[in-house]
Amino acid sequence: AQKITQTQPGMFVQEKEAVTLDCTYDTSDQSYGLFWYKQPSSGEMIFLIYQGSYDEQNATEGRYSLNFQKARKSANLVISASQLGDSAMYFCAMRDQTYNQGGKLIFGQGTELSVKP
Amino acid sequence: GAVVSQHPSRVICKSGTSVKIECRSLDFQATTMFWYRQFPKQSLMLMATSNEGSKATYEQGVEKDKFLINHASLTLSTLTVTSAHPEDSSFYICSARDRGDNEQFFGPGTRLTVL
Repeated sequence: AQKITQTQPGMFVQEKEAVTLDCTYDTSDQSYGLFWYKQPSSGEMIFLIYQGSYDEQNATEGRYSLNFQKARKSANLVISASQLGDSAMYFCAMRDQTYNQGGKLIFGQGTELSVKP
Repeated sequence: GAVVSQHPSRVICKSGTSVKIECRSLDFQATTMFWYRQFPKQSLMLMATSNEGSKATYEQGVEKDKFLINHASLTLSTLTVTSAHPEDSSFYICSARDRGDNEQFFGPGTRLTVL
């Protein structure tokens, strides 16, 4: 069974500093996709970044980068130069590649990030 | 980017009534739509997966007779909470993807409160 684990319920970071949000996963599939989403208090899910299991380079999107360590089964999100608007819940997710599952996402427990001015 | 809308954004109803939530993909054809439920400070829990023109696949523990899902077209899926009770109060979020697309696009969510 596939599983995503986020062990940091809450994190604090000083404005303009970098922060790493941890995510580990468990799967027996060779092909899988990993996602990070941001959920502000409004509730909307905002896609941040995607990493495919066969991608050799770590994904980057602006201030977001994904530290992908396949052997360790970790996919940590790094946010550089934190901003006050980065305060939100962050979810790591893995796409279930099992045939006939439709590509459903399995989410971790989430990390609540608070950026201090 | 692709846009998914949900309606209503917020609904309050009396216990025992039914509530319908719509999820629409506005600028793409969604071959698959997903319905999630989220309680405060918790993660998203998948309720069901629906493919256009076929019956929804429900996750274990989700009552299919209580949470009716219809995916009648490539741009619309509906979730009907039948005979709602206070414990059904939650944030319901839909997402949609096109075949072959890596990304799921999420709707803004519907906050249901059952009195």
